[in-house]
Amino acid sequence: GQQVMQIPQYQHVQEGEDFTTYCNSSTTLSNIQWYKQRPGGHPVFLIQLVKSGEVKKQKRLTFQFGEAKKNSSLHITATQTTDVGTYFCAGSLDSNYQLIWGAGTKLIIKP
Amino acid sequence: EAQVTQNPRYLITVTGKKLTVTCSQNMNHEYMSWYRQDPGLGLRQIYYSMNVEVTDKGDVPEGYKVSRKEKRNFPLILESPSPNQTSLYFCASSLSATQGSPLHFGNGTRLTVT
Repeated sequence: GQQVMQIPQYQHVQEGEDFTTYCNSSTTLSNIQWYKQRPGGHPVFLIQLVKSGEVKKQKRLTFQFGEAKKNSSLHITATQTTDVGTYFCAGSLDSNYQLIWGAGTKLIIKP
Repeated sequence: EAQVTQNPRYLITVTGKKLTVTCSQNMNHEYMSWYRQDPGLGLRQIYYSMNVEVTDKGDVPEGYKVSRKEKRNFPLILESPSPNQTSLYFCASSLSATQGSPLHFGNGTRLTVT
């Protein structure tokens, strides 16, 4: 079936370092959403990207959607302890409204 | 306050004892869905509902049932739970089933089946 691969599974960074997670789809996506799940919490919607090559920013977070609409990335500049959690991407196809979820990237801040 | 409410938050049960996890949303959302979350596997969809009386299987429906008799409620039923259904469960809803509607998640139910 359709898959969205998300890497890395974990990333350890020092506070103040940057963080990036990548999602790659085997097929062209209609749109892609990003969610954040804090430890012990539930996923919370961050943003949606729809257009080819789209770039959106939310403060220190930058989201990109590839030109071919098959990949996406989330980049966090100068991580803070409040950024800790697992970040998920979820894409949908033109033919199907159901979201295809990446496995998530867990951001861990080294003490 | 707009929210998705799941109950219970924690549940420990024994193999074969039927249980129901309730889910209710107060946002008049059309679309509702159940997910299970297991380490390293992310979120896997169990069942979803596009509207009242319309339900469909997700990726991992075996061993689960759902119903959508009212717009606000979408209970998850385990008729005969087994240990491999030990997991963290999330209910989610969105305004519509069309693309681009963000999902709102409940706080989760951690189920242990012994």
